[in-house]
Amino acid sequence: DAKTTQPDSMESTEGETVHLPCSHATISGNEYIYWYRQVPLQGPEYVTHGLQQNTTNSMAFLAIASDRKSSTLILTHVSLRDAAVYHCILRAMNYGGSGNKLIFGTGTLLSVKP
Amino acid sequence: DAAVTQKPRYLIKMKGQEAEMKCIPEKGHTAVFWYQQKQSKELKFLIYFQNQQPLDQIDMVKERFSAVCPSSSLCSLGIRTCEAEDSALYLCSSSQSTWGGDEQYFGPGTRLTVL
Repeated sequence: DAKTTQPDSMESTEGETVHLPCSHATISGNEYIYWYRQVPLQGPEYVTHGLQQNTTNSMAFLAIASDRKSSTLILTHVSLRDAAVYHCILRAMNYGGSGNKLIFGTGTLLSVKP
Repeated sequence: DAAVTQKPRYLIKMKGQEAEMKCIPEKGHTAVFWYQQKQSKELKFLIYFQNQQPLDQIDMVKERFSAVCPSSSLCSLGIRTCEAEDSALYLCSSSQSTWGGDEQYFGPGTRLTVL
């Protein structure tokens, strides 16, 4: 899977809007962009995914650059519960080897202050 | 909401003992994955099942672990002889298929401590 680059950490305050960037300069045309988040001692939680168009759900808005070389996960009105490590992962569209397993990096640690 | 169940949540074993942990995938999901995570570090892929058949696994699993998915509603991961280095959070996830657009949902994990 192609590599993604994320900042190690970011800080925010409750109620703010947070933009979490992810760079994937070598993304191929058949790769989805996935976002997961994880808090200590729990399994990763699916946040969202997209291919080319921006997507939105109850958890977040995913903005994908027109050239797909970067994406930004946007969290609005963050609360303390949003504090977690956020992972940006590329996943092949097709039925791949190893079942298209997810390859997690170190992600971005988002801290939220009261 | 998706729900992958894992049991037990916590498991303590002595070195040399056998350990077993179970996973109930999301209903209707045909792909099941196991990962290992040590001390909140990166997840390590262990093994993958498609329609109850193991299709890929790392060497460590072949040598020291036992994993089966006898039905679409229950899978298990076992360690034949626990070692201290096996202390970790074991995560099970499932997805409807292995198509890249199908979300993969995780359970809460089983935290294994080997003394």
